[in-house]
Amino acid sequence: EPEVTQTPSHQVTQMGQEVILRCVPISNHLYFYWYRQILGQKVEFLVSFYNNEISEKSEIFDDQFSVERPDGSNFTLKIRSTKLEDSAMYFCASSRDRHTEAFFGQGTRLTVV
Amino acid sequence: AQSVAQPEDQVNVAEGNPLTVKCTYSVSGNPYLFWYVQYPNRGLQFLLKYITGDNLVKGSYGFEAEFNKSQTSFHLKKPSALVSDSALYFCAVGPSSNTGKLIFGQGTTLQVKP
Repeated sequence: EPEVTQTPSHQVTQMGQEVILRCVPISNHLYFYWYRQILGQKVEFLVSFYNNEISEKSEIFDDQFSVERPDGSNFTLKIRSTKLEDSAMYFCASSRDRHTEAFFGQGTRLTVV
Repeated sequence: AQSVAQPEDQVNVAEGNPLTVKCTYSVSGNPYLFWYVQYPNRGLQFLLKYITGDNLVKGSYGFEAEFNKSQTSFHLKKPSALVSDSALYFCAVGPSSNTGKLIFGQGTTLQVKP
């Protein structure tokens, strides 16, 4: 069964450093997303991406964040100058279209120290 | 504002008994409703969805959910709970925007005791 894969599973970084979280969405999906889940809290939408551009972003997704689909398979989330409060589980997801179910990856646990 | 509420932080049920995990939503237009399950240290797994049609939706692992438009609810149910159903359950709504974004409830921990 096709699945969304994310790497790395765990990333520890120093405050102020840049991190890139990587995702390989399901191959025939057209919509891509990033969500985050701070420990013990609910899952929060960050950004949706379609047709090689951002289609919607949340208030959380400020200039510190960027997304890219550098080739036909990868979808990345870059966080510049990480802060302690960026520590969270980051989930990538993809869906065939905007109203079908999204499939989520296993997540990348980001720890900023 | 669009939102999802799961009024119970935790639901406890004995194995073999029916279970219900509650969800209410607030969204403009026709909602797209989903249930996801999260096991410890895992991602979110899709359980079922309501887009249109029959108000009773059947999904994976014997779960079902009933869409009630007048009560703006989408409760998750299962006739006979298993210990292995113990997990964190999230209700989510997709607003009728063009982006596929999901708004999640805060999650309900289901504990099924043998």
